[in-house]
Amino acid sequence: NAGVTQTPKFQVLKTGQSMTLQCAQDMNHNSMYWYRQDPGMGLRLIYYSASEGTTDKGEVPNGYNVSRLNKREFSLRLESAAPSQTSVYFCASSRSRGDTYGYTFGSGTRLTVV
Amino acid sequence: TQLLEQSPQFLSIQEGENLTVYCNSSSVFSSLQWYRQEPGEGPVLLVTVVTGGEVKKLKRLTFQFGDARKDSSLHITAAQPGDTGLYLCAGLIQGAQTLVFGQGTRLTINP
Repeated sequence: NAGVTQTPKFQVLKTGQSMTLQCAQDMNHNSMYWYRQDPGMGLRLIYYSASEGTTDKGEVPNGYNVSRLNKREFSLRLESAAPSQTSVYFCASSRSRGDTYGYTFGSGTRLTVV
Repeated sequence: TQLLEQSPQFLSIQEGENLTVYCNSSSVFSSLQWYRQEPGEGPVLLVTVVTGGEVKKLKRLTFQFGDARKDSSLHITAAQPGDTGLYLCAGLIQGAQTLVFGQGTRLTINP
C-alpha cells in the first residue's frame, strides 16, 4: 500500500544510547517531516525537509539530527538518548511544504528511554 | 504557548448526541486541516478548509472555517461509537512553511 513507512514500531533505549528512526515514502512527495507526540501537547515539529537536499529545524530540534538520504527517505537520529525523549515519533510527507492537500503520516515509533 | 487552542480537550458523550469541537487562534491561517487519529496509528486527514466562512461536510461531520480565518469548528451529528478517536486541528500560518497542530480533542462515544 502506498504511504509512509516507519521503522521500528517500538524501541526501548537506555539513557545515553543512540539510535536512528527510519522513514520512507513512496508517493513522490517533496517534503518530509518528523514530529513527536506527547500527552496533552499535540504534535510538535522536530525537523523538516522541504525538498531533497535541504533540512531545517522545527520547534523542538535539540537532541536530534536528521538526514534526507534521497527523495524517499528521511531519518531521525538520537545521538545520546535522554528520558525526556520518551515519546511517540511520527514521520510525515506532503507534496510540498504547507500543502493544502495535507500530510500523510506513518504509524509511528513508540520510544521509551530508561 | 499553543498557537492553536482546541476545546474541549476531552469529551465523552452517549451515542446519538451531537457535539462541537473548537479550534482557535490569534493568528490568521492560509488553510486549516482536521485530522483524526486512532490508537497506535498516525493522524489521517479528514478535510482542508482554505476560504474564510467555508463549510465542508463529510457525512455526519461538518467543518467550518471562521470568516477571519483564525478559528474553525468540527460538528458531529448523531455521534456513533466509530467516531471515537483523537481529533486534531492543524493550520498553516500565513507566511509559514509548516503546519502547527492543536493539542487535540479526545472524543469517546459510549454505546
